Amino acid sequence: DAGVTQSPTHLIKTRGQQVTLRCSPKSGHDTVSWYQQALGQGPQFIFQYYEEEERQRGNFPDRFSGHQFPNYSSELNVNALLLGDSALYLCASSLAQGSRGYTFGSGTRLTVV
Amino acid sequence: GENVEQHPSTLSVQEGDSAVIKCTYSDSASNYFPWYKQELGKRPQLIIDIRSNVGEKKDQRIAVTLNKTAKHFSLHITETQPEDSAVYFCAASIRGATNKLIFGTGTLLAVQP
Repeated sequence: DAGVTQSPTHLIKTRGQQVTLRCSPKSGHDTVSWYQQALGQGPQFIFQYYEEEERQRGNFPDRFSGHQFPNYSSELNVNALLLGDSALYLCASSLAQGSRGYTFGSGTRLTVV
Repeated sequence: GENVEQHPSTLSVQEGDSAVIKCTYSDSASNYFPWYKQELGKRPQLIIDIRSNVGEKKDQRIAVTLNKTAKHFSLHITETQPEDSAVYFCAASIRGATNKLIFGTGTLLAVQP
């Protein structure tokens, strides 16, 4: 049973560039949430997608955007990258009507230089 | 706003001792409290969770307690083993809405053999 898969695993970008991160949820899950985890910190909620729409958004600027596809997979896009965007980006899937917590992917380590 | 405080930030115990990690949440509407274990370079993994209608839950060497009045919840690990060494995160959410997780800042647990 495939869990949550994310790609790529590592990425190095230059300030000002744009990046797209991808996530495939666990089989049977219909909701995808994205989190940013800076070094030594807890994950911070970016946004959540359900039924191909952004259902809730955390305190992140509009440079962060996303998309969910009919097969429930999702993308996270970040424009005009800043050095402070360097972090581990975690995708988590769940059931909208489920009773348990998220299943996390292994993350994408983004380094902005 | 929504906030989860977690203490201590680091905890060192001898193998076989108990470890306790404490969290406090701010949003009284929170009703779901999971705990995640994150080993270095790996994804957060759910180890135990508790709902607001339950005061305590136990799973082998791990237990979680919840005090809704004080808005406190704690993780208890008994008979610690070296493989328990990791970063532990508490989180809180409001199930039934978007189940967005608000994470604590993490506790680095080191179990000395």
